[in-house]
Amino acid sequence: DIQMTQSPSSLSASVGDRVTITCQASQDIRNYLNWYQQKPGKAPKLLIYDASNLETGVPSRFSGNGSGTDFTFTISSLQPEDIGRYYCQQYENLPLTFGGGTEVEI
Amino acid sequence: QVLLVQSGGELKKPGASVKVSCKASGYTFTNYGITWVRQAPGQGLEWMGWINTNNGHTDYAPKFQGRVTINADTSTSTAYMDLRSLRSDDTALYFCARVISYCGGDCFGYWGQGTLVTVSS
Repeated sequence: DIQMTQSPSSLSASVGDRVTITCQASQDIRNYLNWYQQKPGKAPKLLIYDASNLETGVPSRFSGNGSGTDFTFTISSLQPEDIGRYYCQQYENLPLTFGGGTEVEI
Repeated sequence: QVLLVQSGGELKKPGASVKVSCKASGYTFTNYGITWVRQAPGQGLEWMGWINTNNGHTDYAPKFQGRVTINADTSTSTAYMDLRSLRSDDTALYFCARVISYCGGDCFGYWGQGTLVTVSS
């Protein structure tokens, strides 16, 4: 299985701050990497697909970068509605695997 | 619009089985597979498996192989996830999901609302 190591596991930032989350794959996954946001008790929401593509309707303050084994996810200016848990997910190989998640607080 | 509507919560005893449904609408059911993902309380997301709704082919995570069955009824556009020999650590929120059409592969842009399965004696 491909292991996805996500860091940090939690962070606290202020409104307007730039926030960066990293995700490292245990082997080359090309650009087969997605980022999701999840609120408590709700389904995940796709934000970034194929490492750097912004999903339709998602604010442009969210962005993603990287290829191979190292990826980053950035919120350029943190907003109150951005609190929640963020996950990376690879789809290079089955079984699909997710990072452990990053809790973002304000 | 694409909708995935799941069945309601379940309370099961250890050793029992549970079957969760996921009814799709707003698109041609056989054009996209259905994937199942679960989340234990306070934990992360875990891929369980998926079904190709066009030909019935399935893949399962090794962790669940032999204990889970995913199938689909194309006449009702409904996918099912059957988990057997339930244990307390199977207590989780179970989601079905579908990919977006413009991604290179397994990018899940559509999700059911989740079904809470509680396993307790």
